[in-house]
Order: sequence, then C-alpha cells, then structure tokens
Amino acid sequence: GQQVQQSPASLVLQEGENAELQCNFSTSLNSMQWFYQRPGGSLVSLFYNPSGTKQSGRLTSTTVIKERRSSLHISSSQTTDSGTYLCAMEQGTNAYKVIFGKGTHLHVLP
Amino acid sequence: GGIITQTPKFLIGQEGQKLTLKCQQNFNHDTMYWYRQDSGKGLRLIYYSITENDLQKGDLSEGYDASREKKSSFSLTVTSAQKNEMAVFLCASRGGAEQFFGPGTRLTVL
Repeated sequence: GQQVQQSPASLVLQEGENAELQCNFSTSLNSMQWFYQRPGGSLVSLFYNPSGTKQSGRLTSTTVIKERRSSLHISSSQTTDSGTYLCAMEQGTNAYKVIFGKGTHLHVLP
Repeated sequence: GGIITQTPKFLIGQEGQKLTLKCQQNFNHDTMYWYRQDSGKGLRLIYYSITENDLQKGDLSEGYDASREKKSSFSLTVTSAQKNEMAVFLCASRGGAEQFFGPGTRLTVL
C-alpha cells in the first residue's frame, strides 16, 4: 500500500545548527502537511504545502511533486525546537484518508 | 479559528472494560478522525467520518466502535480494553485539505 517514509528517524543537534528533515512517498503526492509534536503533546500544524516552497520564520517547507518528496528545513535551531516532526498526506485512492510517517525525533542541545 | 476538545484527558481502565472517548470541534468541519499513537510509532487511523452519521473504518478499526451523531462530535469506544495497553488517542477534524488536532486522551489499562 501507499507508504510515507521519514528520515532521519532521529537527529541530535547543537543549538544554532541547521536541520533538514525529509518525507518521501511511494505514490503520487496529494495534500502534504507538516506537523510538530512536543513531548507528551498534541500535533500542531506547521505547513500545508502540496507543492512549492513556504516559509515561516526559521522554518521552510519545500515540496517537489515530480520527485515525490517534501522537506522541512529548520535554520538556527533552538532547544525549544526539540520534539517530533511528522508529515502526512492524503491516500491516493481516497482523499479523505490521511496517512502519516513515523516522524523524526529532534533533540537540540544547549 | 476553532478548537477541538477531547475528554477525558486521562483514562484508566480495567482489562475487558468498555471505554468511551469523546471529541468535540467548533470549526464546523465535515470530516473527523480518530488516530492511535503508540510510543515509537506513527499515527494509525482507527475510524474517520466524512459527515454526520457517516462512519468509515481505518487501518486499525478492529476492537473499536465509533459514533458521529452530530457534525460537531465524534466518539470512539474501545470495546474490550487489553491488559497493559498504553496509547494516546488523537482526534482531528478537517475542512478543505488541512487537518487540526485535539490535545489527546491518554489511555492506560491495568
């Protein structure tokens, strides 16, 4: 079936370093969304980005439909960026079904 | 803007018990979702509902029932809690392409 692969599974950074998180899809891409989840918390939407590039503060999302991938770039990381980053997309044959990757666990050290 | 509320926040049950989780949204969204999140795993779709009184099974529906009697609410029932089960249940709603999540219900089964 359709799969969503996120990489890396985990990442440790020193504060101030940049991070690049990847999301790859096994089928054509529909309706891509990035979420942030703090430890023990719920999901907060970062970007809805089905194609192209969007930026919000230190975060940039780039989705390339032809290559079936989306990335999330975090610049000048801060300790408060620590948590899990999840990507999600609509299942190709059923637009109502939204499936998730397993996430990237980010830990930013002071 | 809107908000999604989930009750209870914490739920402790006994093995074999029937347990009900509730979710309310005031976005006036048509589509609602229930996901299960286990430690170290991504979100798995249990049930979703396209509109009032509609129910659709996700990938993890066995052992669960759902109810959507009103557009604003979506309930999930664990039909028989499994011993030592621990998970977070997340409710979401969607109007258009973007999903929004509630704070979650943490289930522990003794």
